[in-house]
Amino acid sequence: AQSVSQHNHHVILSEAASLELGCNYSYGGTVNLFWYVQYPGQHLQLLLKYFSGDPLVKGIKGFEAEFIKSKFSFNLRKPSVQWSDTAEYFCAVNSGGGADGLTFGKGTHLIIQP
Amino acid sequence: DGGITQSPKYLFRKEGQNVTLSCEQNLNHDAMYWYRQDPGQGLRLIYYSQIVNDFQKGDIAEGYSVSREKKESFPLTVTSAQKNPTAFYLCASGFRDLREKLFFGSGTQLSVL
Repeated sequence: AQSVSQHNHHVILSEAASLELGCNYSYGGTVNLFWYVQYPGQHLQLLLKYFSGDPLVKGIKGFEAEFIKSKFSFNLRKPSVQWSDTAEYFCAVNSGGGADGLTFGKGTHLIIQP
Repeated sequence: DGGITQSPKYLFRKEGQNVTLSCEQNLNHDAMYWYRQDPGQGLRLIYYSQIVNDFQKGDIAEGYSVSREKKESFPLTVTSAQKNPTAFYLCASGFRDLREKLFFGSGTQLSVL
């Protein structure tokens, strides 16, 4: 069974700081990788995804993530965070593209201080 | 206005009672999912369905049941066998190719009286 590990459960940063949220997964085969975000009071929504090609993927709102196969990692980055980035961030993995659901990490609660 | 509708937003369950959470989508998605979200636990998959009249257990199916009689609807019943039902329940839908994103509903908060 696949699993996803997010290293930090709570992160507090000041505005304009750089962000990196760690994500490691356990599945050894072909994977599709996702970062979802849950803003306060809003639905979960997709930030970005990777399934093939360039391992550096760009998403909405200036976020990007790098897939490093040798490290089983898919870390999320943003060069300069804003107060509006305060949210819960979830890394998720699906193996092989099948519709058997996503396996999510436990989430990282990010607080940006103005 | 397309999307996923979950109801009710808040639900209370008495001891020994079964309760049903509704999930409807008008996005023409084949696949639908139920997740449970607990603080610090992330989202855990309860049940999923890839096609009408078929569904599969997820990681934490015990104490839950589902049906998929229509493409648009995937109700979740929390049975009395679920000893710790208090949680936030999220329904999602998507195409069968999961390289496309999932769409999530706004959730139902279930509490035990």
